[in-house]
Amino acid sequence: NAGVTQTPKFRILKIGQSMTLQCTQDMNHNYMYWYRQDPGMGLKLIYYSVGAGITDKGEVPNGYNVSRSTTEDFPLRLELAAPSQTSVYFCASSYSGGVGTDTQYFGPGTRLTVL
Amino acid sequence: AQKVTQAQTEISVVEKEDVTLDCVYETRDTTYYLFWYKQPPSGELVFLIRRNSFDEQNEISGRYSWNFQKSTSSFNFTITASQVVDSAVYFCALGGAGSYQLTFGKGTKLSVIP
Repeated sequence: NAGVTQTPKFRILKIGQSMTLQCTQDMNHNYMYWYRQDPGMGLKLIYYSVGAGITDKGEVPNGYNVSRSTTEDFPLRLELAAPSQTSVYFCASSYSGGVGTDTQYFGPGTRLTVL
Repeated sequence: AQKVTQAQTEISVVEKEDVTLDCVYETRDTTYYLFWYKQPPSGELVFLIRRNSFDEQNEISGRYSWNFQKSTSSFNFTITASQVVDSAVYFCALGGAGSYQLTFGKGTKLSVIP
């Protein structure tokens, strides 16, 4: 199993550009999550999904959109990139929901710079 | 609101020394879960441990041990006989029962010098 994979690994965007960060998991996990990690800070939840077709906002959803058409994929869309979105983005998944019932497994991250 | 504080921003130790990483948390939940993750220089997050608020037993896994003290709201992590491969950023995290969200501390960067 590859686990949670993310593409691209690095990306530089200009202000106002759009892009999609890809996340795929092959563990048949129902729950998927997107976090961002700002320099010197812990991770903050952007969006999460409890299954195909169901998504919900986390702590910092502004400026992002998500979709979940399949169990395996959970892409994160930035529509109008801003310098404040410069961060490292982590995708995670877990089989069941709730932090107490299952562990979240993380992908390798995407380092995004907006200039 | 939940909060996780890792007061140690960076720690350097010489190989084979023991080192303890501190984690203090705040929560109003009576049932909650505490985690430690390791982020090596390669960048990925590696799960180390999950403990629930009702289990205050210390846990040992090889050179790693965790001390959970509800009375002081702390969940400290000790590495015994540190090795260069232990060099990483270590995150403590907290989640409430039924919550999908983890609240992370800012992390402690551990450097083990050969």
